[in-house]
Amino acid sequence: GAGVSQSPSNKVTEKGKDVELRCDPISGHTALYWYRQSLGQGLEFLIYFQGNSAPDKSGLPSDRFSAERTGGSVSTLTIQRTQQEDSAVYLCASSTTGALNGELFFGEGSRLTVL
Amino acid sequence: AQKITQTQPGMFVQEKEAVTLDCTYDTSDQSYGLFWYKQPSSGEMIFLIYQGSYDEQNATEGRYSLNFQKARKSANLVISASQLGDSAMYFCAMRDHNAGNNRKLIWGLGTSLAVNP
Repeated sequence: GAGVSQSPSNKVTEKGKDVELRCDPISGHTALYWYRQSLGQGLEFLIYFQGNSAPDKSGLPSDRFSAERTGGSVSTLTIQRTQQEDSAVYLCASSTTGALNGELFFGEGSRLTVL
Repeated sequence: AQKITQTQPGMFVQEKEAVTLDCTYDTSDQSYGLFWYKQPSSGEMIFLIYQGSYDEQNATEGRYSLNFQKARKSANLVISASQLGDSAMYFCAMRDHNAGNNRKLIWGLGTSLAVNP
């Protein structure tokens, strides 16, 4: 498709289980972001990939969270040993560059519910 | 520290009227960019408009315009001729030039806009 694609759109899991969320950015976009949006909150930055540079992981809330981006395209966000406070919508965005005025294109998000 | 403040949790407007959504920001940087995004109930974030700190003109995109007052550090979004489809959450965000390789956006908590028929 032409836009940012995220899967799954909804995920319900039990506390303690691991989950993987996938993001397929727009073809050719070198920058990829993961954000988390909790109910009634703004977007919380998690991690940023730009080309072949080392990712900025400064927003990851704990070492249970990790992300990788293979071949400069698809990214996977992994949450290990999920906790109830991990319940949120996880949004992926991509842009052509990391330029100041670079518009971010968002996917529709993956809604994670941890029981 | 950088911060975005949106003081209006919820707003109502009559269809076809104009509405202003407030956004103030805090940064010590001289070069930065301001964004507005719309998030309908479907959840996708939709880019609306961008204003650079050195842009002399207020940005406009169709029915959207940005009332940029640099000295007051405000970047209010004005939606003219509101439509029912404008009902959504609206987020103000900022990105600064001095973030090195990290171009992450700092986000406000959003304003929920309801357009009444």
